[in-house]
Amino acid sequence: GAGVSQSPRYKVAKRGQDVALRCDPISGHVSLFWYQQALGQGPEFLTYFQNEAQLDKSGLPSDRFFAERPEGSVSTLKIQRTQQEDSAVYLCASSLHSHQPQHFGDGTRLSIL
Amino acid sequence: AQSVTQLGSHVSVSEGALVLLRCNYSSSVPPYLFWYVQYPNQGLQLLLKYTSAATLVKGINGFEAEFKKSETSFHLTKPSAHMSDAAEYFCAVPANAGNMLTFGGGTRLMVKP
Repeated sequence: GAGVSQSPRYKVAKRGQDVALRCDPISGHVSLFWYQQALGQGPEFLTYFQNEAQLDKSGLPSDRFFAERPEGSVSTLKIQRTQQEDSAVYLCASSLHSHQPQHFGDGTRLSIL
Repeated sequence: AQSVTQLGSHVSVSEGALVLLRCNYSSSVPPYLFWYVQYPNQGLQLLLKYTSAATLVKGINGFEAEFKKSETSFHLTKPSAHMSDAAEYFCAVPANAGNMLTFGGGTRLMVKP
């Protein structure tokens, strides 16, 4: 499809496990964003890429969170040693350039048991 | 830093009634303002975007929003609610120079038959 694609849609992991969440942005979109959305709240910024460069990671809550976009297209958000507080929906968004509207994927719902 | 506040976490209207969802931004005039809608288990869909070109912005699905500098507001309206409008609505503003978005807490719109 032409939209932002995220996989998996749902992920259940045990506390302490590592997880990897994938985002396929819209083809040609330079900017890519990751957000975390806790239940009943608005999304909160995690990190931002422009092509392959990670220009802002100020929203990552701890050093257990790591994101990459090695070829300037697909991005992966990795969470190591997951904790219960990591349970949330992780949203990926892309835009043609910064200043353009962001297009969101359907998110990955992560549940940590 | 820029921020937005959404008054009313839940709004209930009857089908056919006026919809008014409130959003106020922090004191400095932002370059852009956005309204997004989120249906259950889906990502965010752009409803409309404000730029300085026009204070009244028309969006998809019959929604519109008016930027009022004197009130630091960007409220979302629709003349006649439809059952399919039931969803979560988020106001958002660029957090800095046009990169990541800062979202309000969201307003859940319920439409009664």
